[in-house]
Amino acid sequence: DSGVTQTPKHLITATGQRVTLRCSPRSGDLSVYWYQQSLDQGLQFLIQYYNGEERAKGNILERFSAQQFPDLHSELNLSSLELGDSALYFCASSVGSSATQETQYFGPGTRLLVL
Amino acid sequence: KNEVEQSPQNLTAQEGEFITINCSYSVGISALHWLQQHPGGGIVSLFMLSSGKKKHGRLIATINIQEKHSSLHITASHPRDSAVYICAVRSNTGNQFYFGTGTSLTVIP
Repeated sequence: DSGVTQTPKHLITATGQRVTLRCSPRSGDLSVYWYQQSLDQGLQFLIQYYNGEERAKGNILERFSAQQFPDLHSELNLSSLELGDSALYFCASSVGSSATQETQYFGPGTRLLVL
Repeated sequence: KNEVEQSPQNLTAQEGEFITINCSYSVGISALHWLQQHPGGGIVSLFMLSSGKKKHGRLIATINIQEKHSSLHITASHPRDSAVYICAVRSNTGNQFYFGTGTSLTVIP
């Protein structure tokens, strides 16, 4: 158990809908990262937050947004869902944001299926 | 264009064998990560390296910054090592993460 929790574990929804994925980092970790893993594209970095502020942005679509709240939990919002958004979404956390503090602890993932 | 290349893609070994997985990258980095993903999907961070060598149990990771290359070694491999091993780098411009496509390892008893 990494100490990172993600809800829900599974989500089935329809095209055009909007969903929210939630992540609670390990106690004491200030950074939260979001990743997407699909069969055809592998793991992709979406976005990182550090202590409530956006720290780095990857291949995150405009239809997707994220935020980190004062209690450090984070939410990833996916809207106008398309079939291609079906994937495993992982959240990870680390103590800090510098290279030496970035050993990441991964949550179990949320499996999203868009029908 | 892949910023991170791993080899081999697939690897089958007999229990007890010494295993090496290679990772080459093309961007300047602040850190390199080796991840392990089990068949159930969970991901575990094995190492984070910015220079030199790290060892944890039977696993050893090395990095050569000048050659932009890293290796993950598993000594005395065991069936429980069967997993996908993923190399990832954190670029030193823009703080992007780039991932290799993974090496699928099967260790046969």
